[in-house]
Amino acid sequence: EAQVTQNPRYLITVTGKKLTVTCSQNMNHEYMSWYRQDPGLGLRQIYYSMNVEVTDKGDVPEGYKVSRKEKRNFPLILESPSPNQTSLYFCASSSNRFSSYEQYFGPGTRLTVT
Amino acid sequence: EDKVVQSPLSLVVHEGDTVTLNCSYEVTNFRSLLWYKQEKKAPTFLFMLTSSGIEKKSGRLSSILDKKELFSILNITATQTGDSAVYLCAGGTSYGKLTFGQGTILTVHP
Repeated sequence: EAQVTQNPRYLITVTGKKLTVTCSQNMNHEYMSWYRQDPGLGLRQIYYSMNVEVTDKGDVPEGYKVSRKEKRNFPLILESPSPNQTSLYFCASSSNRFSSYEQYFGPGTRLTVT
Repeated sequence: EDKVVQSPLSLVVHEGDTVTLNCSYEVTNFRSLLWYKQEKKAPTFLFMLTSSGIEKKSGRLSSILDKKELFSILNITATQTGDSAVYLCAGGTSYGKLTFGQGTILTVHP
């Protein structure tokens, strides 16, 4: 089954404790992206990747890191999480290296930083 | 800074009504406008529009883009309770950046 998977789905952590949210897709998609969703603010793009080893900042990259060493994986790293990073996070992938085609979204990761 | 604004922010209608959702955008290196539907989970794709004036249709949903005036509309005819959701539009650039609007919360009452 074609899908985007994220792990963990729920995470409660403390300020400053490094964490990684994994994202994997099995559709051989070139394009992958991370978003955060907060009430009243819609979806905001954190980072995106047009292909392996190619990443770029979205609208809200501060406090996040990504890497794209393999085509199928695009982990999101929070080196020192803070409470303002409490949010719902989505990973997405697209079959075309331009983001403007249909994106498949993962199920989301709800992160709480205390 | 790229910007996408949706209106109205929320809308309450009764089954059978027709609704129009609006999306205006200011996106540098604009490539296309996308619409997504989000229920209590991840967004699902509805339409992608790249050319002005060409309507895209899927059942009771349709959408059109005006690249001169920088806006798009999403129409839903004969609404049903299952159409209740958040509708998101997004402007995509030619190099991968995607900017979403705040979303329109549509509630359809029986």
